[in-house]
Amino acid sequence: SYELTQSPSVSVSPGETASITCSGDKLGDKSACWYQQKPGQSPVLVIYQDTKRPSGIPERFSGSNSGNAATLTISGTQAMDEADYYCQAWDSSTAVFGGGTKLTVL
Amino acid sequence: QVQLVESGGGVVQPGRSLRLSCAASGFTFRNYGMHWVRQAPGKGLEWVAIIWYDGSNKYYADSVKGRFTISRDNSKKTLYLQMNSLRAEDTAVYYCVRGGGVSDWYFDLWGRGTLVTVSS
Repeated sequence: SYELTQSPSVSVSPGETASITCSGDKLGDKSACWYQQKPGQSPVLVIYQDTKRPSGIPERFSGSNSGNAATLTISGTQAMDEADYYCQAWDSSTAVFGGGTKLTVL
Repeated sequence: QVQLVESGGGVVQPGRSLRLSCAASGFTFRNYGMHWVRQAPGKGLEWVAIIWYDGSNKYYADSVKGRFTISRDNSKKTLYLQMNSLRAEDTAVYYCVRGGGVSDWYFDLWGRGTLVTVSS
């Protein structure tokens, strides 16, 4: 079965750029999405179709996807961005999530 | 407003059944594929099942195939998940999720979730 791999944790200082990576076999041939989940809350879509931002998501969130990796980039990271982030893609009519990355804003 | 509200969770013994419901409002329910996604306590997200906008196609995660059934009633704007032969590993918060896009769906609207606990 298809797998998506994420680093368990990433730390960033306020105002700096955070990069969260998701790797999977030929992931660049698929459409990648990213979700933000804060403690006690439901996930929120922050990037879809590799690079698109839903309405209401700040411009500091951006995405890319090529080769075997998709990347979520948060520019000018704020304390409110501290959360778990999950990547997701489809393979053989099955949705697959990465294991999640905990972003800590120090 | 646009929202999804799940219900039907609770504590159930292993091997028993439970049916979850999800009431949609604020958007044209019949136009969207719908999903169930679950999250075990302290764990990551796991996709469970999808049903096409018209109910014509359904797909399941291997972990629930043959035990869970997804269905919908577009006249009632409601999504269902029938869960049979429940196991301890099915313990999770179950989210009702709207699917955006056409084929590679993205999950653009989530409910608040309903907790299912499988325990004797």
